Amino acid sequence: NAGVTQTPKFRILKIGQSMTLQCTQDMNHNYMYWYRQDPGMGLKLIYYSVGAGITDKGEVPNGYNVSRSTTEDFPLRLELAAPSQTSVYFCASSSPRDRASATNEKLFFGSGTQLSVL
Amino acid sequence: QKEVEQDPGPLSVPEGAIVSLNCTYSNSAFQYFMWYRQYSRKGPELLMYTYSSGNKEDGRFTAQVDKSSKYISLFIRDSQPSDSATYLCAMSAGGSYIPTFGRGTSLIVHP
Repeated sequence: NAGVTQTPKFRILKIGQSMTLQCTQDMNHNYMYWYRQDPGMGLKLIYYSVGAGITDKGEVPNGYNVSRSTTEDFPLRLELAAPSQTSVYFCASSSPRDRASATNEKLFFGSGTQLSVL
Repeated sequence: QKEVEQDPGPLSVPEGAIVSLNCTYSNSAFQYFMWYRQYSRKGPELLMYTYSSGNKEDGRFTAQVDKSSKYISLFIRDSQPSDSATYLCAMSAGGSYIPTFGRGTSLIVHP
């Protein structure tokens, strides 16, 4: 029962390097999300997707890119890493219970990727 | 003013205490209210979910929503050291599928 799987768990990058955070879910959820969590600051939405081929910006998209070619996978790309991107990154997925209103109350989260940019 | 306000704490209580965690919000369109629990170095997990105003109870946990005051609460009775975690409130509007999270409150229950 894998749920949402994120890799890697830890990573250290140098300024200017690029990397992709991987996220895959096996629950056939339509919706997927990327959040970053800084200490004491809660979860900030970076990007989200409502289905394969559809992505949209969240609250803090600058410096990141995403793609959604399949229902299962939602990778997050950092092109030019900056110290401000040091954070813990969480991927999540969900499936709206009430499709008429698209209300979606339960997000399933991965275990996170701790990223440091030095 | 942030859409969702939550005191980050930490809140330290002795084992067996009744804990009250709270959030206020400004968006009157919010109708769905959630509490997530996050243990250290783990992803958040949904703990309680409430639609509109009222109370919901699940074991030692009670969620309350007062839409007139734009205020939600989570009560934990007979708190245990295993309840030590960060509790994040989240809420969303009808028709919206993107929840807005509070900052989270760090709770420490000491034996």
